[in-house]
Amino acid sequence: ETGVTQSPTHLIKTRGQQVTLRCSSQSGHNTVSWYQQALGQGPQFIFQYYREEENGRGNFPPRFSGLQFPNYSSELNVNALELDDSALYLCASSGYTGELFFGEGSRLTVL
Amino acid sequence: DQQVKQNSPSLSVQEGRISILNCDYTNSMFDYFLWYKKYPAEGPTFLISISSIKDKNEDGRFTVFLNKSAKHLSLHIVPSQPGDSAVYFCAASAETSYDKVIFGPGTSLSVIP
Repeated sequence: ETGVTQSPTHLIKTRGQQVTLRCSSQSGHNTVSWYQQALGQGPQFIFQYYREEENGRGNFPPRFSGLQFPNYSSELNVNALELDDSALYLCASSGYTGELFFGEGSRLTVL
Repeated sequence: DQQVKQNSPSLSVQEGRISILNCDYTNSMFDYFLWYKKYPAEGPTFLISISSIKDKNEDGRFTVFLNKSAKHLSLHIVPSQPGDSAVYFCAASAETSYDKVIFGPGTSLSVIP
């Protein structure tokens, strides 16, 4: 059984740029959730995708957007990057039980 | 405004002793509570959960207690082992969205050999 994988693991961008983070969900899972974990804080819910549709969103601006593909993999896109966007971005997949299985995260640094 | 609070950023415990991690929540709609454990360079992993219809759930060395009237829960680890050293996140969700989980800021536990 393949777990949740995220790419890239680390990346550095500058203010104003755009970034795309990718996530492959665990086999059999049709729901993907994205979280932002800033330094010293817990993961903050960004949004969730279920069967290619957004299924809930946290308190993040529209420049945070996402996609889910037919194979249930997902992308998180962030436009017009700001310094405060520097964080660990976690993807979690879930199936019918609702239990979240997290990937190792993508660490984004915005300079 | 934080809906899930963990007021102790860190905790140190001697190996073999009990570790008690505390968590408070503000949203009355929460009815399912979880603890996640996170090692450096890894994603959080599920540890134990409790439904609001219970006040205690036990799994091996880990026990979670829920006090709904106080909106408080705690995780007890007995006996603590060095491998338990990690960041522990308390989390909560509501019946309508069990997989939209709200996390607390975490408590870093160090178990000293």
